[in-house]
Amino acid sequence: GAGVSQTPSNKVTEKGKYVELRCDPISGHTALYWYRQSLGQGPEFLIYFQGTGAADDSGLPNDRFFAVRPEGSVSTLKIQRTERGDSAVYLCASSYGTSGTNEQFFGPGTRLTVL
Amino acid sequence: EDQVTQSPEALRLQEGESSSLNCSYTVSGLRGLFWYRQDPGKGPEFLFTLYSAGEEKEKERLKATLTKKESFLHITAPKPEDSATYLCAVQAFSGSEKLVFGKGTKLTVNP
Repeated sequence: GAGVSQTPSNKVTEKGKYVELRCDPISGHTALYWYRQSLGQGPEFLIYFQGTGAADDSGLPNDRFFAVRPEGSVSTLKIQRTERGDSAVYLCASSYGTSGTNEQFFGPGTRLTVL
Repeated sequence: EDQVTQSPEALRLQEGESSSLNCSYTVSGLRGLFWYRQDPGKGPEFLFTLYSAGEEKEKERLKATLTKKESFLHITAPKPEDSATYLCAVQAFSGSEKLVFGKGTKLTVNP
């Protein structure tokens, strides 16, 4: 079956602009996760959803970052007033969550570049 | 605070030269330890989950082991296609399902 998909694969924006990154999880997975990966680092947790609700948003760096999952499937990560330090690869993952095995399967990522 | 430290940062092997990658961790109650493989420009690819000390899992040339303080990823007779960054992550019994990752080990296998 299809894996996790993310769009766009690349996004270049200017400092101060607003961006939206989209994630389509694996069908049947109830949990969805967002991570951010900088060059030479491991993924860093941002937020995760169980169903429609954010179960843990402790990794969001500040209030410019927000994520939604209104119907319990697709999720959008929104970044307001982008800064150069936001440049990174944003990874999405999904899993069966607490209802099953907890392996997280990752998408290919969105590379965000803030000029 | 949960932490994961991976060593070495980079490792160069000749084809067929076996070795091990190390993942040391501190966690407030280990729910699971995960190994992933990441190729350049791609997302992490799931390899193994280990749940308790003494557990071992194998897949082709890879074997993962777990103790109470660390995990090893043993690579037997590696091939050039095993070249990648290997990431280790832990998940705690904290109520959150987030993964805490190490920085990874970049493995290069020369033919």
